[in-house]
Amino acid sequence: AQRVTQPEKLLSVFKGAPVELKCNYSYSGSPELFWYVQYSRQRLQLLLRHISRESIKGFTADLNKGETSFHLKKPFAQEEDSAMYYCALSGQGSNYQLIWGAGTKLIIKP
Amino acid sequence: DTEVTQTPKHLVMGMTNKKSLKCEQHMGHRAMYWYKQKAKKPPELMFVYSYEKLSINESVPSRFSPECPNSSLLNLHLHALQPEDSALYLCASSQAFLRGPNYEQYFGPGTRLTVT
Repeated sequence: AQRVTQPEKLLSVFKGAPVELKCNYSYSGSPELFWYVQYSRQRLQLLLRHISRESIKGFTADLNKGETSFHLKKPFAQEEDSAMYYCALSGQGSNYQLIWGAGTKLIIKP
Repeated sequence: DTEVTQTPKHLVMGMTNKKSLKCEQHMGHRAMYWYKQKAKKPPELMFVYSYEKLSINESVPSRFSPECPNSSLLNLHLHALQPEDSALYLCASSQAFLRGPNYEQYFGPGTRLTVT
């Protein structure tokens, strides 16, 4: 079964500390993985997708097929990073709908 | 224009009312989506339209009726809703759905619906 697991509902770190939001997935094939972010009172927006291999707002995420993980990392957290983060997966074949993780709320303490 | 717009921003309706939510995009996207999002939960897919045809209906109750009048516009007609239908309703669009890789989904700000 296709599944995305974000084990932490809440993650709280101090400003300047490293951040890692965990995402594990279950899919028999080659999925496409995404991180979406929802800042307070703002719309849901794409942060990263694994095929682009970009660094956005200092965040990076590497797809580890062996561990079926797509963890989101940032070396130095900033207060404006506080938001809800969702990991999502898109499969192959004829059905490209997104499978969403439960989300992790990230709080950056000053 | 790279935004998805949704109206109204807020809607309060009684269980016997009929109302509609509207979504619009002018990015030339041919796939449009309706999601329901409860507080602190991920979005739940309701419907997908691809090239103005309904591609996916995630077993949504018939009191929710989607409509795609043209490639830029998506409506969600509401009738006889229940209090548990209160949620944030999100619209999204992407370049395509079934005919290629999954493009980025662009989300609207949502309509906050309260059913009394």
